[in-house]
Amino acid sequence: QKEVEQDPGPLSVPEGAIVSLNCTYSNSAFQYFMWYRQYSRKGPELLMYTYSSGNKEDGRFTAQVDKSSKYISLFIRDSQPSDSATYLCATDSWGKLQFGAGTQVVVTP
Amino acid sequence: DAGVTQSPTHLIKTRGQQVTLRCSPISGHKSVSWYQQVLGQGPQFIFQYYEKEERGRGNFPDRFSARQFPNYSSELNVNALLLGDSALYLCASSSKQLTLAKNIQYFGAGTRLSVL
Repeated sequence: QKEVEQDPGPLSVPEGAIVSLNCTYSNSAFQYFMWYRQYSRKGPELLMYTYSSGNKEDGRFTAQVDKSSKYISLFIRDSQPSDSATYLCATDSWGKLQFGAGTQVVVTP
Repeated sequence: DAGVTQSPTHLIKTRGQQVTLRCSPISGHKSVSWYQQVLGQGPQFIFQYYEKEERGRGNFPDRFSARQFPNYSSELNVNALLLGDSALYLCASSSKQLTLAKNIQYFGAGTRLSVL
């Protein structure tokens, strides 16, 4: 079983819709959770960084962590075609990042 | 400020050859990590270096090796290349030793290696 599970998609939404992305993880010791965005043929770019349970908001992006269910989410409001990318969830396991497989998101005009 | 830079951007090798990939961290960052990203998957941890010492190793064969130089740049070497080594190799830098709390890793654009 992988440490971090993520539905690879693709997820297609119309412009302006809310994008909802989810991951589950297996190790309850994980405390730091990240969402990275990766455009085609580019390196991952950090979007959100959260610690323990709770919500964090940054502009159109909201990250949620529910440690009781080992579930992490990312919401993108008012999605734009420029949000089309692969979104990777990750946890920090003593310095080495454990990534999900990534969800490909396509926002259609 | 320059981000993490990697070279070359693309490489084509044949099976059995050896390859060296290079990474320059963000100025002031002392920690470098390497990841392998196979198409359609998330990055997989290979190595972690801090202050020129190996601080972590992922589940990769001994054909993979790395080092960090006094200026904190790093090289990843892969010997006896296999077709399955074809991937995007990512370098990430961080300002602190990675085992410390809340330590963010910043990624370069990667080197795309194709093994024929």
